[in-house]
Amino acid sequence: GAGVSQSPRYKVAKRGQDVALRCDPISGHVSLFWYQQALGQGPEFLTYFQNEAQLDKSGLPSDRFFAERPEGSVSTLKIQRTQQEDSAVYLCASSHRTVASGEQYFGPGTRLTVT
Amino acid sequence: AQSVTQPDIHITVSEGASLELRCNYSYGATPYLFWYVQSPGQGLQLLLKYFSGDTLVQGIKGFEAEFKRSQSSFNLRKPSVHWSDAAEYFCAVAPGGGSNYKLTFGKGTLLTVNP
Repeated sequence: GAGVSQSPRYKVAKRGQDVALRCDPISGHVSLFWYQQALGQGPEFLTYFQNEAQLDKSGLPSDRFFAERPEGSVSTLKIQRTQQEDSAVYLCASSHRTVASGEQYFGPGTRLTVT
Repeated sequence: AQSVTQPDIHITVSEGASLELRCNYSYGATPYLFWYVQSPGQGLQLLLKYFSGDTLVQGIKGFEAEFKRSQSSFNLRKPSVHWSDAAEYFCAVAPGGGSNYKLTFGKGTLLTVNP
């Protein structure tokens, strides 16, 4: 079956622009996660959804970052007024369970470059 | 908060040689432990995970890992490396309890395989 898909795969934004990154999780997966992976680093947790509820947004670096999953399926990560430090790969993952024992399946990521 | 250290940034091995990738974690209790692999342009793929029980865990692609509580380590091993194993490997931990979905990753170890 289809895995987690993300679009666009690459995005170049000028500093100050707003961007929206999309994640299509595996069908039926309850949990959805966003991670940020800076160059040369491991992924860092941003936020967690269980169905349409955003249960944890403790990793969002600033109030310029906003995520939503209105119907409990597709999710969008929005970054307002992008800054150079926002340049990173943004990874989405989904899981059929709500606990750590449920494997997180990762998408290929969106590489954001802010110029 | 938990943390993960992968002491080796880059390892080179010859095809057919054995492999051990090191991972140390910091956490007050026994965490959930994971190893992921990331190939260029691909999403992270789960190799194996440890929650409890037998401290030697078998994973996919012939990998195994051993949890050693006394050393706070969870090293990944493979007896004979194949050229297709060249990739970046990430160790990750999740806390027990209610936030057990929240993965904390190490910075990764890049594996190069020489023919």
